[in-house]
Amino acid sequence: DAKTTQPNSMESNEEEPVHLPCNHSTISGTDYIHWYRQLPSQGPEYVIHGLTSNVNNRMASLAIAEDRKSSTLILHRATLRDAAVYYCILRDNNYQLIWGAGTKLIIKP
Amino acid sequence: NAGVTQTPKFQVLKTGQSMTLQCAQDMNHEYMSWYRQDPGMGLRLIHYSVGAGITDQGEVPNGYNVSRSTTEDFPLRLLSAAPSQTSVYFCASRPGLAAYNEQFFGPGTRLTVL
Repeated sequence: DAKTTQPNSMESNEEEPVHLPCNHSTISGTDYIHWYRQLPSQGPEYVIHGLTSNVNNRMASLAIAEDRKSSTLILHRATLRDAAVYYCILRDNNYQLIWGAGTKLIIKP
Repeated sequence: NAGVTQTPKFQVLKTGQSMTLQCAQDMNHEYMSWYRQDPGMGLRLIHYSVGAGITDQGEVPNGYNVSRSTTEDFPLRLLSAAPSQTSVYFCASRPGLAAYNEQFFGPGTRLTVL
């Protein structure tokens, strides 16, 4: 399974945009890029996913590099409720996923 | 829909005891899985099921058993608890195996083995 690399932690000010990077240099053509986040003491929750094109939903935007070896999750206006660990995961039609340690996002008021 | 539910929320066991962690989903999802999460780490897959009557091992299956007699339920059994099994356990489900499917997680069971 392809692996992802994320920074251990990032800080951002409240109400400012946040760009969370993810490197996945060994991604294969059929791998989807998924992002989940985990708020303190909760189970992970889905944020967004994409294959090749940039994607937007009510929670975030996903920008995928043209060569697909990296992607960036964009929170357009971070709030204190966005403080969480964000996981970037690759998924193909295999059953298993590899979860890294994710990026801990700290939001400063 | 209640989504994915897990019981109990907290559990303390003594070494050698056995117990079952319950997981249920009401979304008619084919695929269900169990993960454990140790402090500061990502999730690791224990067992998974692609449908009723079908189960398989994940990354860290030793010391755990599962069964899937119905689509809705996927219990995880600890056969003889050990301190190394102290962790937070998450159950998850998704509609099918396609790579684009979103995965839904339960709230977790926090297990301490003394």
